[in-house]
Amino acid sequence: DAKTTQPNSMESNEEEPVHLPCNHSTISGTDYIHWYRQLPSQGPEYVIHGLTSNVNNRMASLAIAEDRKSSTLILHRATLRDAAVYYCILSRAGNNRKLIWGLGTSLAVNP
Amino acid sequence: DTGVSQNPRHKITKRGQNVTFRCDPISEHNRLYWYRQTLGQGPEFLTYFQNEAQLEKSRLLSDRFSAERPKGSFSTLEIQRTEQGDSAMYLCASSSTGTGRNEQFFGPGTRLTVL
Repeated sequence: DAKTTQPNSMESNEEEPVHLPCNHSTISGTDYIHWYRQLPSQGPEYVIHGLTSNVNNRMASLAIAEDRKSSTLILHRATLRDAAVYYCILSRAGNNRKLIWGLGTSLAVNP
Repeated sequence: DTGVSQNPRHKITKRGQNVTFRCDPISEHNRLYWYRQTLGQGPEFLTYFQNEAQLEKSRLLSDRFSAERPKGSFSTLEIQRTEQGDSAMYLCASSSTGTGRNEQFFGPGTRLTVL
């Protein structure tokens, strides 16, 4: 299973954009890039996913590098409720089964 | 949409006892997953069901662990002869193949403490 690398922690100020990076240099052509987040004392929550093209939804944007070896989750305006651990995960297309999780990035949002 | 529910939310047991956890997925979801999470770590995959069939089980999973999904709806995870190393948060997630969407929906988890 291909692995991802993320910074251990990041910090942002409220109302400012946040760019959370993820490296996945061993990604294969059929691997989807997923982002989940986990708020304190809660189960993980889906944020966004993509394959090759950039994606937008109501929660965030996902920017995928042209060679797909890295991606960036963009929170356009951080709020205090966005403080969480953000996980970047790869899963193989047609094989929507287990997600292999790393340690994620712990995001702190300052008021 | 009531979401994924898990019971109990907390369980404290003595070493050597058996415990069973229940997961009720979102009703129309045909896939169900169990994960385990220890403090400071990401969730670790344990096993996966599609309908009532258990299609994958982690090689790391001891034979003291067993999971069932008898009617393709709720699922149970049993741990026999618990050990202190089993202390963790046990997470259940469900998803649907029908919508073409990929996200897994997680429950709040069952926190197990083995004394």
